[in-house]
Amino acid sequence: RKEVEQDPGPFNVPEGATVAFNCTYSNSASQSFFWYRQDCRKEPKLLMSVYSSGNEDGRFTAQLNRASQYISLLIRDSKLSDSATYLCVVKILTGGGNKLTFGTGTQLKVEL
Amino acid sequence: SQTIHQWPATLVQPVGSPLSLECTVEGTSNPNLYWYRQAAGRGLQLLFYSVGIGQISSEVPQNLSASRPQDRQFILSSKKLLLSDSGFYLCAWRDLGQGKETQYFGPGTRLLVL
Repeated sequence: RKEVEQDPGPFNVPEGATVAFNCTYSNSASQSFFWYRQDCRKEPKLLMSVYSSGNEDGRFTAQLNRASQYISLLIRDSKLSDSATYLCVVKILTGGGNKLTFGTGTQLKVEL
Repeated sequence: SQTIHQWPATLVQPVGSPLSLECTVEGTSNPNLYWYRQAAGRGLQLLFYSVGIGQISSEVPQNLSASRPQDRQFILSSKKLLLSDSGFYLCAWRDLGQGKETQYFGPGTRLLVL
């Protein structure tokens, strides 16, 4: 089983739609959670952290369910510029420091 | 503000040739530094990380090595490239001083081994 699993998509949605991605993780010792965005042939960029109580940043809402070990990202009122691959990322604290495990990403295509 | 540089941006190398990719960070000191590889259609794989000068931890056995000769410089090397070394190589940093819990990536080097 992969440490972090995501549906690869693609999710093709019309502009203005609401879309949700889920991600599951296998290590119950995971401490911190993030969503990154990666545009085609570019480096991943931090989109938002995911807090236990859930958090919102504009049109983006992240949720964490520790009991079920899944994380979600909700995008409201999708824009064309939201088209990208969204990476679910989990941090596990080890003796060597901050180690992140990345999912393979979910591809989103927002269309006119 | 902190910035991270990588070069070259793209590289085409023959099998068996050596490799040297460089990453430098500006605007911070004593950062944790990381090398990742992203193969086509796959997730990011952590290759090496460094918590200080001369300190390298390897995550997976492979054809690559890393060095940290200066506080803000991280180098990825190979003596003889394999076809399987092709991929998108990303350097990342985490500044302990900021108390940030995540990592920030450089622009990456796209390597094609032929």
